[in-house]
Amino acid sequence: RKEVEQDPGPFNVPEGATVAFNCTYSNSASQSFFWYRQDCRKEPKLLMSVYSSGNEDGRFTAQLNRASQYISLLIRDSKLSDSATYLCVVRNQAGTALIFGKGTTLSVSS
Amino acid sequence: EAGVTQFPSHSVIEKGQTVTLRCDPISGHDNLYWYRRVMGKEIKFLLHFVKESKQDESGMPNNRFLAERTGGTYSTLKVQPAELEDSGVYFCASTLGQNTEAFFGQGTRLTVV
Repeated sequence: RKEVEQDPGPFNVPEGATVAFNCTYSNSASQSFFWYRQDCRKEPKLLMSVYSSGNEDGRFTAQLNRASQYISLLIRDSKLSDSATYLCVVRNQAGTALIFGKGTTLSVSS
Repeated sequence: EAGVTQFPSHSVIEKGQTVTLRCDPISGHDNLYWYRRVMGKEIKFLLHFVKESKQDESGMPNNRFLAERTGGTYSTLKVQPAELEDSGVYFCASTLGQNTEAFFGQGTRLTVV
């Protein structure tokens, strides 16, 4: 079983749509969780950290369910500029490295 | 302020040759990481430096890969001799503290032919 698994995608949605990405992680001792965004042929950039209580940043909402070892990202009112690959990321137990999912590609069209 | 910079951006080498990748972290960042993305797979951790010391090198694939960070500033990752399966994008990242935000360089796209 992979350490971090994500929806395979791709997701193709119209502008204004709401889209949700899901992710599961295998190590129950994991403490830190993130969503990164990666544009084509660019580096990954931190989108937001994910906290147990859930957190929101504008149109983006992240949720964490420790019991189910499940992380989600909700994007409301999708924009063309949201088109990218979204990476679910977990910090390893030792805190020395980030463990990445394969990513889910989102394409928002007009 | 300059971000994490990597050089070269692209490299095409023949199997059996040697390639050295360089990473300059954000100034003042003690933590430096190397990651690799092979086509079709997820980004995978290679190793972690704290200043000039290797903190965790559990992700290094084999002894053909050698990473150094002399003086605790920039880092190099040497692949010798390169094999076809080494092709991929090599990312470097740096953080101020071990659990703070990771900033990634744009990566070096390595193609071994």
